[in-house]
Amino acid sequence: EPEVTQTPSHQVTQMGQEVILRCVPISNHLYFYWYRQILGQKVEFLVSFYNNEISEKSEIFDDQFSVERPDGSNFTLKIRSTKLEDSAMYFCASSEGLGLIQYFGAGTRLSVL
Amino acid sequence: GQQVMQIPQYQHVQEGEDFTTYCNSSTTLSNIQWYKQRPGGHPVFLIQLVKSGEVKKQKRLTLQFGEAKKNSSLHITATQTTDVGTYFCAGKGGYQKVTFGTGTKLQVIP
Repeated sequence: EPEVTQTPSHQVTQMGQEVILRCVPISNHLYFYWYRQILGQKVEFLVSFYNNEISEKSEIFDDQFSVERPDGSNFTLKIRSTKLEDSAMYFCASSEGLGLIQYFGAGTRLSVL
Repeated sequence: GQQVMQIPQYQHVQEGEDFTTYCNSSTTLSNIQWYKQRPGGHPVFLIQLVKSGEVKKQKRLTLQFGEAKKNSSLHITATQTTDVGTYFCAGKGGYQKVTFGTGTKLQVIP
């Protein structure tokens, strides 16, 4: 069964450093998403991406965040200058269309020290 | 902005008992999806409801979408230990982003 792949599974970084989280969505999917889940809390929407541009973003997704689809398969989330409060699990998801089933990757646990 | 709340936040049940979680949106939804997240895992899609008043059954799961399309419920009959996890509803209103609910964490006591 096709799946969304995320790397790395765990990323440890120092405060102020840049991190790039990587995702390979399901190949025929057109919509891509990033979510954040702070330990023990709910899943929070960050951004959706369609047709090589951001289609929607939340208030969490400030200037420190950016997304990119550098080639035909990867979808990345960059945090320019990490803060302690960025520590969370970051999930990538993809769907065939807007509002359709979202398939989640296993997540990247980001630990900012 | 759109808010999606779930109750209860936590639920402990004896194995074999039933379980229900309720989802309420501050705005009318075009559809609602339910996801299950096992401890340490990622959200996995369970089912989607689209029509007002829709009821869907999937094995021991029964899901309902309210007439006003602002609330939904997920009911599990005769819980098993494999049902342990957090159940999230996720609502989409028009062209807005999908907003996840606050989740209900289910613990099943053998």
